Amino acid sequence: AQKITQTQPGMFVQEKEAVTLDCTYDTSDPSYGLFWYKQPSSGEMIFLIYQGSYDQQNATEGRYSLNFQKARKSANLVISASQLGDSAMYFCAMREAGSSNTGKLIFGQGTTLQVKP
Amino acid sequence: DTEVTQTPKHLVMGMTNKKSLKCEQHMGHRAMYWYKQKAKKPPELMFVYSYEKLSINESVPSRFSPECPNSSLLNLHLHALQPEDSALYLCASSHAKGLAGMNEQYFGPGTRLTVT
Repeated sequence: AQKITQTQPGMFVQEKEAVTLDCTYDTSDPSYGLFWYKQPSSGEMIFLIYQGSYDQQNATEGRYSLNFQKARKSANLVISASQLGDSAMYFCAMREAGSSNTGKLIFGQGTTLQVKP
Repeated sequence: DTEVTQTPKHLVMGMTNKKSLKCEQHMGHRAMYWYKQKAKKPPELMFVYSYEKLSINESVPSRFSPECPNSSLLNLHLHALQPEDSALYLCASSHAKGLAGMNEQYFGPGTRLTVT
């Protein structure tokens, strides 16, 4: 069964430093997509970055990069040069190709990141 | 424009009330979703509409009734809710078909519902 695991309930990082948020997944479908979302205390889920299972290169979006290790089934989010505004809850999510018509996402439990000034 | 709007932002209702949550997007997305989220938990999928037709109902109690009047609008009608239904209700939209990578979901700001 498909599953997403985020083992870090909470993380601290010093402002301007880089931080890695861990995500491992389990699926038997060879075609899938992995997503990271940011949820500030205001509640809105903000899409950050996407990685497809067949993508040869790791995804990057500005200060966000996804360290995709397919053999290990991990999709860690790396945030470079942390800013105070990065303090939020971060969710890793997966969708299998078989659900492309329904778009059902499987979410991890989330990691709360706090950036210290 | 990747904006999904939701109204109201906050809602307090009694257990005998009838209320509706509204969601709107103008990104041309043909899939829309309702999620329920409890504090410090991941969102839980409730309903999925694809091309204005209900494609997934995650065994949601009938006191929640979704409606998709057109491709831009999604409603969630609430009736006879319980206090445990208090939560953040998130709406999202995405392209309905295509490769998995093209279907990232864009979320609205949510409605914080309190049932008294």
